[in-house]
Amino acid sequence: EVQLVESGGNLVQPGGSLRLSCAASGFTSSDYHMDWVRQAPGKGLEWVGRSRSKANSYTTEYAASVKGRFTISRDDSKNSLYLQMISLQSEDTAVYYCARGVGYWGQGTQVTVSS
Amino acid sequence: DIQMTQSPSSLSASVGDRVTITCRASQGIRNDLGWYQQKPGKAPKRLIYAAASLQSGVPSRFSGSGSGTEFTLTISSLQPEDFATYYCLQYNSYPFTFGPGTKVDIK
Repeated sequence: EVQLVESGGNLVQPGGSLRLSCAASGFTSSDYHMDWVRQAPGKGLEWVGRSRSKANSYTTEYAASVKGRFTISRDDSKNSLYLQMISLQSEDTAVYYCARGVGYWGQGTQVTVSS
Repeated sequence: DIQMTQSPSSLSASVGDRVTITCRASQGIRNDLGWYQQKPGKAPKRLIYAAASLQSGVPSRFSGSGSGTEFTLTISSLQPEDFATYYCLQYNSYPFTFGPGTKVDIK
């Protein structure tokens, strides 16, 4: 069974940093493109970025709103995906989901940026 | 960036009704479109991929159609568990973009 479990969400001050993790099970994550999607409180869904599969050299794409501040990485030994976030702003407050190729989604982790 | 619009933004319907939601793309996206259902406090769940392919385990009352710039999601007979918000997503080109959502509630 495909499972994705996000962790690492927290309350952080503006300008701070945070790293989110996504632990995959039931499949080999390196074989798949993996995405991060977020949802601000009461708002719609926003695609954040993608790490392509190992066969595609793990190249990445990002939304303009996070480019230069967010970085997606992987650890194949842990079958995991990460989202490193720096220079966080209040507009980054959201539930962050990881997804296997926008098909299967985890349950999300809450990030709150506030002083 | 490709802009996605959805109509209606909300609708009220009764159990057993046929419901249709439309999604339009600002430029052609072939059939690179998915439909998602989201219930309050839950993660989105994909219903349809490649515009018309039913995700495994999703009831057959859900169907999708369209290609290019106009797409539809149809629920043939609305069930109590279908009251939710529905989103379309284009994955033809980066950045991927979602529609603003259609909330389906009980009439």
